[in-house]
Amino acid sequence: GAGVSQSPSNKVTEKGKDVELRCDPISGHTALYWYRQRLGQGLEFLIYFQGNSAPDKSGLPSDRFSAERTGESVSTLTIQRTQQEDSAVYLCASGDRGNTEAFFGQGTRLTVV
Amino acid sequence: AQTVTQSQPEMSVQEAETVTLSCTYDTSENNYYLFWYKQPPSRQMILVIRQEAYKQQNATENRFSVNFQKAAKSFSLKISDSQLGDTAMYFCAFVKRTGNQFYFGTGTSLTVIP
Repeated sequence: GAGVSQSPSNKVTEKGKDVELRCDPISGHTALYWYRQRLGQGLEFLIYFQGNSAPDKSGLPSDRFSAERTGESVSTLTIQRTQQEDSAVYLCASGDRGNTEAFFGQGTRLTVV
Repeated sequence: AQTVTQSQPEMSVQEAETVTLSCTYDTSENNYYLFWYKQPPSRQMILVIRQEAYKQQNATENRFSVNFQKAAKSFSLKISDSQLGDTAMYFCAFVKRTGNQFYFGTGTSLTVIP
């Protein structure tokens, strides 16, 4: 596809379970970002990948959160032992090396019950 | 650290009228980009307009234009001839040319009234 694709679109999970969110960036984009958006709030930076460089993990809120990306392909964001406070929309974006634009996916709405 | 401030949580405008959304930012950088993104209820973040900091001329995209005041670190969005489809959250964003994250404001919820 031409755009950033995220799956699943919606995820309901029980407190304490692990979840994995997937992001397929636009082909050729070296940069990939994950953001969290709580209800009615702005975008909170989580992690940044740029090509094969070491990722910037400075936004990850706790060690329950981790993300991987192999080269310039798919990325997965994993949340272990989910808590109710993790309920949010998780947005992924990809872009070029020059930061001229971030192209966003439609997000995954995570609900922890 | 970079910060982006949107001081108008909610705004409304009559259809066909003009509205201006405010944004200020704080940075010591000289080479950066500024953006306005639109987020309708579908959640999809859509780029509305982009401004390169080294360009003095204000960016324009059809009904959307910006007033970029670099010295004042201000970047407002003007929407002319507002349409019902403009109803959405609008986020102002900043990124350094060689940066590793886009910094977003808290958003302005715009409602276009028929």
